[in-house]
Amino acid sequence: GAGVSQSPSNKVTEKGKDVELRCDPISGHTALYWYRQSLGQGLEFLIYFQGNSAPDKSGLPSDRFSAERTGGSVSTLTIQRTQQEDSAVYLCASSRNEKLFFGSGTQLSVL
Amino acid sequence: KQEVTQIPAALSVPEGENLVLNCSFTDSAIYNLQWFRQDPGKGLTSLLLIQSSQREQTSGRLNASLDKSSGRSTLYIAASQPGDSATYLCASLPGGTSYGKLTFGQGTILTVHP
Repeated sequence: GAGVSQSPSNKVTEKGKDVELRCDPISGHTALYWYRQSLGQGLEFLIYFQGNSAPDKSGLPSDRFSAERTGGSVSTLTIQRTQQEDSAVYLCASSRNEKLFFGSGTQLSVL
Repeated sequence: KQEVTQIPAALSVPEGENLVLNCSFTDSAIYNLQWFRQDPGKGLTSLLLIQSSQREQTSGRLNASLDKSSGRSTLYIAASQPGDSATYLCASLPGGTSYGKLTFGQGTILTVHP
């Protein structure tokens, strides 16, 4: 498809496990973002990639969270030793200018 | 730190009614103000983007206005339809920012009933 693709769409994991969330941006979009949407907190910025580098990772909530992007395309958000408060929808977006295109997100549930 | 507030949190209207969604922000030094729509289980779809130098933008039945001095934006939906039911989010982009680090409001859940 032509849109931003995220996988998996749903992930249920046990507390303490590591999870990886994947994002395939729109082809040609050099900028990629991860946002988190949780009840009570709304949508929060996590990290911004320009190409393969992350000039702004100020929104990552703890050092358990990391992200990388390879080939200027696919990005992976990794959460280590998941906690219940990590439960949320993780949204990825890509852009070529000011307009962001969002994926459908990954619903993460930590039991 | 920018704070974005949306009022009302939820709105239910009969089909055909015109309606206004409100968004306020604390820091007027914004680069632009954007309105998004989110359907259940879906991502966000960009509706309108207003640059800081603009006063309004229109797309079909949607009109968004921006008043930086008062820190307010409104989204006007004309002749609402059941298909307009969704959550509407506004987001501001800080002035001097060259990338999409948006600050979002909590959203307004809109229900348009036949």
